[in-house]
Amino acid sequence: AQSVAQPEDQVNVAEGNPLTVKCTYSVSGNPYLFWYVQYPNRGLQFLLKYITGDNLVKGSYGFEAEFNKSQTSFHLKKPSALVSDSALYFCAVRGSNYGGSQGNLIFGKGTKLSVKP
Amino acid sequence: SAVISQKPSRDICQRGTSLTIQCQVDSQVTMMFWYRQQPGQSLTLIATANQGSEATYESGFVIDKFPISRPNLTFSTLTVSNMSPEDSSIYLCSVGFGTGGSEQYFGPGTRLTVT
Repeated sequence: AQSVAQPEDQVNVAEGNPLTVKCTYSVSGNPYLFWYVQYPNRGLQFLLKYITGDNLVKGSYGFEAEFNKSQTSFHLKKPSALVSDSALYFCAVRGSNYGGSQGNLIFGKGTKLSVKP
Repeated sequence: SAVISQKPSRDICQRGTSLTIQCQVDSQVTMMFWYRQQPGQSLTLIATANQGSEATYESGFVIDKFPISRPNLTFSTLTVSNMSPEDSSIYLCSVGFGTGGSEQYFGPGTRLTVT
């Protein structure tokens, strides 16, 4: 079965400090990996993706993520957190033709990031 | 990417009634998806709605409960039928680009409360 795990329900960081939001996955074949952010009362916004190529992927708002095949991880990082980064972050992986739906994204349960001033 | 709008943004409905949610995209896309996000939960795919074919439903979702229309490449509707309080959720549409719709962009969601 294909799955995504976000082991932390919440991550607390002080403003200006680096942040990491963890994600591990399990898929058959090569994974397509994504990070989305959801601000309160708003839809999901695409942050970044890994399809192929460099393991370090840079995305929106200064975020980046590192694909680690041996550890099956795709952790989200930012060198210096902002209070405005406080939101709910979802990791997602593209599934196969499971259920007959191509491009089905399998989402983690989400990690709430709280950045304090 | 694409700009996606949904109507209504939120609604409060009576048990047993139905609500149709509209999803409009500012460009032509083949692949559209409907997701549900229950309170405090992650997103679950309801169905894939590709223009020109019948919607494909995920396990646990059926057409009688969640009929979908996809009349053209910029528009889709999802109906939540015979609603119960358990249907209270945020419903999101997304559009897919790239191979198999691998990169998806989401609408703002429709927050549904069933009383």
